[in-house]
Amino acid sequence: ETGVTQTPRHLVMGMTNKKSLKCEQHLGHNAMYWYKQSAKKPLELMFVYNFKEQTENNSVPSRFSPECPNSSHLFLHLHTLQPEDSALYLCASSQPRLVRNSYNEQFFGPGTRLTVL
Amino acid sequence: GENVEQHPSTLSVQEGDSAVIKCTYSDSASNYFPWYKQELGKRPQLIIDIRSNVGEKKDQRIAVTLNKTAKHFSLHITETQPEDSAVYFCAASITTGANNLFFGTGTRLTVIP
Repeated sequence: ETGVTQTPRHLVMGMTNKKSLKCEQHLGHNAMYWYKQSAKKPLELMFVYNFKEQTENNSVPSRFSPECPNSSHLFLHLHTLQPEDSALYLCASSQPRLVRNSYNEQFFGPGTRLTVL
Repeated sequence: GENVEQHPSTLSVQEGDSAVIKCTYSDSASNYFPWYKQELGKRPQLIIDIRSNVGEKKDQRIAVTLNKTAKHFSLHITETQPEDSAVYFCAASITTGANNLFFGTGTRLTVIP
């Protein structure tokens, strides 16, 4: 599959489990994002990485821990989650904004549907 | 930070009719406004976008208008078809900083055959 891929597509975990979500992009982009999508809420930006460096942490609880080993891969490590963390977690990638007043389209992955019991 | 509001949350139209979705934003520094379509069980995909230096943009049956003074922008879909049924998200991006998007809450559009 080309573009942005995410694994697993579905995940059920207990509150004491530790799991990781994986995102991979094949578009040659240098910016990657994690979003949380809950019912009746906006897409919430969680983390942003530009050139493997975290440039944004949108007040996300420490039970979510991102990792970006290279420009093509992004992980979200999960531990001691709460039931309210159940949501669709979307990864996206783009070229970073390098020029003022420019914008580069974000391409989304299919998401991981997470259920915390 | 930027706050984007979107209305309505749900919209049902008869096939062939037009659909309009409206968004407002709070930060006058925002200058890029994309619209994403998310079909059931699928990823959000960009369908059209507009930059602050234009007031309207059209692509076949889809058009977007922007009123910078009032800080609102709208998505217009004409001659709707069943395959237009999806959730539509508006977003805004601020000129400074990273390539970040601030999304609205989404509108679930249902086109009734």
